[in-house]
Amino acid sequence: DTAVSQTPKYLVTQMGNDKSIKCEQNLGHDTMYWYKQDSKKFLKIMFSYNNKELIINETVPNRFSPKSPDKAHLNLHINSLELGDSAVYFCASSRASRTQYFGPGTRLTVL
Amino acid sequence: KQEVTQIPAALSVPEGENLVLNCSFTDSAIYNLQWFRQDPGKGLTSLLLIQSSQREQTSGRLNASLDKSSGRSTLYIAASQPGDSATYLCAVRPDGNQFYFGTGTSLTVIP
Repeated sequence: DTAVSQTPKYLVTQMGNDKSIKCEQNLGHDTMYWYKQDSKKFLKIMFSYNNKELIINETVPNRFSPKSPDKAHLNLHINSLELGDSAVYFCASSRASRTQYFGPGTRLTVL
Repeated sequence: KQEVTQIPAALSVPEGENLVLNCSFTDSAIYNLQWFRQDPGKGLTSLLLIQSSQREQTSGRLNASLDKSSGRSTLYIAASQPGDSATYLCAVRPDGNQFYFGTGTSLTVIP
């Protein structure tokens, strides 16, 4: 059973399009995260949600909007995609401040 | 702002050797520190989590130590195997809600 799942695994799209990435966790965790891993493999947090409320919003363009319909889901919607948005996006979850469990990642390529 | 550095960036060892990966961080006021493994094209797998009050954690052939006062953590891998080849990431949590990741050490274990 997959603990943290993301869809799609790969996403190729044109500049200017709007796209969404979905994340679901079946671990009963109360906190979920979105990270971006750039071409140099550096991981940086984007958002953190605790019990459906936004806790962290790092310096991320407002074209990125997370949505948490319930504690088990944290989706990432991106408007007006730009070339620089190409990266691997990881979803993660944890119970409070304990171990984070990561999804397999979504590789986004903007052409 | 917390900065996390991992040295070396890449390491290649023959099978069976013991090895140490290093992680240093600039702000010693941390909540916990976590070591992850990332295989090519895959998500992150948690290896060990050390709370700020702990000095070390062990799991199988892995041992992670934490010295908050000097801003350092090490990951010791005993009797390395080719299956240990991966990128190892150190992540520091300054408060309860987010991690700062290092740039990783790419490990290759040669059969």
